[in-house]
Amino acid sequence: DTGVSQNPRHKITKRGQNVTFRCDPISEHNRLYWYRQTLGQGPEFLTYFQNEAQLEKSRLLSDRFSAERPKGSFSTLEIQRTEQGDSAMYLCASNLQRGEAFFGQGTRLTVV
Amino acid sequence: DAKTTQPTSMDCAEGRAANLPCNHSTISGNEYVYWYRQIHSQGPQYIIHGLKNNETNEMASLIITEDRKSSTLILPHATLRDTAVYYCIVRVVVGGGTSYGKLTFGQGTILTVHP
Repeated sequence: DTGVSQNPRHKITKRGQNVTFRCDPISEHNRLYWYRQTLGQGPEFLTYFQNEAQLEKSRLLSDRFSAERPKGSFSTLEIQRTEQGDSAMYLCASNLQRGEAFFGQGTRLTVV
Repeated sequence: DAKTTQPTSMDCAEGRAANLPCNHSTISGNEYVYWYRQIHSQGPQYIIHGLKNNETNEMASLIITEDRKSSTLILPHATLRDTAVYYCIVRVVVGGGTSYGKLTFGQGTILTVHP
C-alpha cells in the first residue's frame, strides 16, 4: 500500500499520560499536514511541514502538543499530559506542493 | 481562505444523480474549489477540484458558476457506498505565501443514498 499510513489506529490512554502518533506520508510528497477531528465536526487544521520545516501551527496546538518531521520523511505528533478534551481522531495528510492532499485513516485517541 | 456554505444533509435514491450544492460567495481569484468526502471512520478522500471551468473525472463532475460564487458536485449514478459526508473547500493553490495548500473544512453535507 503506497498511501498515507498512520499508527496506531486506536489509542486509549489515561489522563495525564503522554502519547505519540506516527504518520508515514506518500514517499515523494514534500508537504505533510496534521488535523484533528471531533465527533460531528469537520477536520481542523493543526500544523503542516514542508520537508522538515514546520511552517504553520494553528492556535489549537497548545504547548502540550509538539510535532516533528525529521529528515522530511515520517512525522510524529506528541501530546503531553493528555486531557479528556484531547479525545479525537488525529488525521495526517500529504501532498506535493500544488497537488491534492491524500489522507491517512487516522488515529483515534480516547483519554479516560 | 473563503468560507463555504453547504446544506446539512441530503438524500438520494440509489442509481439517481446526486447534486450537492455549495456557496462560496467570497472566493478569491487564486482559490480553487475542492471536494472531499469522508466515509464513516475513514480519512477524507479527494474527489475533484476546479478553478472556473467544469471538470469531470471517474468519480464525479464539478459545475462552477460563471461568477464562481457557487458550485455543484454531481455524482451521476449514486450507490449505497457513496453515503458519506461531502466537504466543499476553497483552497489557495497559486500564490498565497507559505501557508497555501492547507484545507479548511466546514461541517459538510451528509449524503444518504437509500435503496
